[in-house]
Amino acid sequence: GEDVEQSLFLSVREGDSSVINCTYTDSSSTYLYWYKQEPGAGLQLLTYIFSNMDMKQDQRLTVLLNKKDKHLSLRIADTQTGDSAIYFCAESMRNFNKFYFGSGTKLNVKP
Amino acid sequence: SAVISQKPSRDICQRGTSLTIQCQVDSQVTMMFWYRQQPGQSLTLIATANQGSEATYESGFVIDKFPISRPNLTFSTLTVSNMSPEDSSIYLCSVIYAGENIQYFGAGTRLSVL
Repeated sequence: GEDVEQSLFLSVREGDSSVINCTYTDSSSTYLYWYKQEPGAGLQLLTYIFSNMDMKQDQRLTVLLNKKDKHLSLRIADTQTGDSAIYFCAESMRNFNKFYFGSGTKLNVKP
Repeated sequence: SAVISQKPSRDICQRGTSLTIQCQVDSQVTMMFWYRQQPGQSLTLIATANQGSEATYESGFVIDKFPISRPNLTFSTLTVSNMSPEDSSIYLCSVIYAGENIQYFGAGTRLSVL
């Protein structure tokens, strides 16, 4: 299978920016995704980026993709306590019948 | 966005029994998947539910333990059979709509086996 790796924990103060990083191994991935999982809930899609894009911005969220290094990041501006959750990156293959998920990064936002 | 109803939301079961989890979607989808998320871990794909035919199982998962049905394009069930405490996990249904490239998830079923 594919390897999608993330750091396990990130702690930031409320109002700061958070940057969650992800690396993947398969250069043939077509889309890359960020999902958020709050305690006791399923996965909520936050944003996604097509593999031929470098950047995508959506309100407080900025996704950066470095295809050469196979590195994906999610920046959350002005992080709030409600952003505390586990964030999963995922990649899909060409025909979308396989998605590979990272281990998840637990974001802790301190007031 | 998607409307995915997964039932039950949680259950506590006795060892040796079976539990059937239902996943109902608001409109027709091309693909439905079942995942397992063990405590503190990432998602592991159990199988792809195929409409009108046998599910496609991933390595390490077998039909006898996790029978899956998908009688139509909006509904699927996953049964966890002959449960043991090691089956305690969150089980998640996900779908992909025709023409889309996004996987949407249900809220999950939290299963505890005593």
